[in-house]
Amino acid sequence: DSGVTQTPKHLITATGQRVTLRCSPRSGDLSVYWYQQSLDQGLQFLIQYYNGEERAKGNILERFSAQQFPDLHSELNLSSLELGDSALYFCASSPGPGNQPQHFGDGTRLSIL
Amino acid sequence: GESVGLHLPTLSVQEGDNSIINCAYSNSASDYFIWYKQESGKGPQFIIDIRSNMDKRQGQRVTVLLNKTVKHLSLQIAATQPGDSAVYFCAEDFTGGGNKLTFGTGTQLKVEL
Repeated sequence: DSGVTQTPKHLITATGQRVTLRCSPRSGDLSVYWYQQSLDQGLQFLIQYYNGEERAKGNILERFSAQQFPDLHSELNLSSLELGDSALYFCASSPGPGNQPQHFGDGTRLSIL
Repeated sequence: GESVGLHLPTLSVQEGDNSIINCAYSNSASDYFIWYKQESGKGPQFIIDIRSNMDKRQGQRVTVLLNKTVKHLSLQIAATQPGDSAVYFCAEDFTGGGNKLTFGTGTQLKVEL
């Protein structure tokens, strides 16, 4: 158990809809990272928050947004969903802003019908 | 049309043998490297990391070797066990912050009894 908690584990929705994925980092970790894992693209970094502030951005679509709250949990919001958004979404956390191992949760599997 | 998944190279080893998983990284500016293990239905699990000022680092039953000249990273697992069966990913960071990881496509390790 990595200590990173992601909810829900599975999410099934339709095109055009909006969903929110939630992540609770390991106790004491200030950084939260979001990744997308799909069959054709592999594991891709989306965005990082450190102590409530956006720290780094990767290949995150404009339809996607994230935030980190004062209690350090984070949410990833996906809107105007398309079939191609079906993937596993992982959250990871680390104590500091970088150069440390990131510890991953078990992901949210998003299926768009 | 049918989506095509990433083709994962597969390494099959006998239980008790040593395994070597190789990774060619892409950016000569990368200064932080990390290996993850991912079992089916779970998130990536941290194994070991190494910084570019080192060429070797050892952990429990694992060793990572870094050859910056040819941009090559390897993970050696000693006395491979059935529980080592998983997909192994290498990841690199070339931004200097150690937080924007770029993942490889992964190698499937199968341990035969």
